[in-house]
Amino acid sequence: SQQGEEDPQALSIQEGENATMNCSYKTSINNLQWYRQNSGRGLVHLILIRSNEREKHSGRLRVTLDTSKKSSSLLITASRAADTASYFCATDEMGGSTLGRLYFGRGTQLTVWP
Amino acid sequence: KAGVTQTPRYLIKTRGQQVTLSCSPISGHRSVSWYQQTPGQGLQFLFEYFSETQRNKGNFPGRFSGRQFSNSRSEMNVSTLELGDSALYLCASSPSDSSYEQYFGPGTRLTVT
Repeated sequence: SQQGEEDPQALSIQEGENATMNCSYKTSINNLQWYRQNSGRGLVHLILIRSNEREKHSGRLRVTLDTSKKSSSLLITASRAADTASYFCATDEMGGSTLGRLYFGRGTQLTVWP
Repeated sequence: KAGVTQTPRYLIKTRGQQVTLSCSPISGHRSVSWYQQTPGQGLQFLFEYFSETQRNKGNFPGRFSGRQFSNSRSEMNVSTLELGDSALYLCASSPSDSSYEQYFGPGTRLTVT
């Protein structure tokens, strides 16, 4: 299975601190995406990084991708209480007919305390 | 543009009944994917439709089915509901045939009693 795994499962920090979450996956990919989910609601798309990219930024988010290690990290800088949510990485699978199908990890639950 | 909408948002059904969930994708999006989210199994892919054709199917029993209409709206149906079908059902739409970005709706919370 391609399903990724996030690490840590839970992360608790103070406002203003940086939060780093990691994701590992098993097979070759075309892209890796990060999503946020607030308390059982829908997933919000944060960022997509392609397999030929090593780093991408979007606002306070920084994503890195290491295809040789099959891993990615999401860094949220200067965290706010509103960042409290579950964060998921999602991958596709290179080769075959995988359009429309994403593989998700179990997520990292981030809690940011005011 | 309006986001992905799903109806209903909450649903309570009894074992053995069937249920139909609806998803309207973002305007112009032709791909619709469905996922089931449970505390035990996490997010699991159900199926994906593009231009009214099912292109991918996850590892779910035949009780789970779906379809897509010419306006890209999609429905999923679960027949003979089981307690284990209680979950958050998420629908996502994607802009094009070759895009991997998916945009999710708020989900339908199904409870089977």
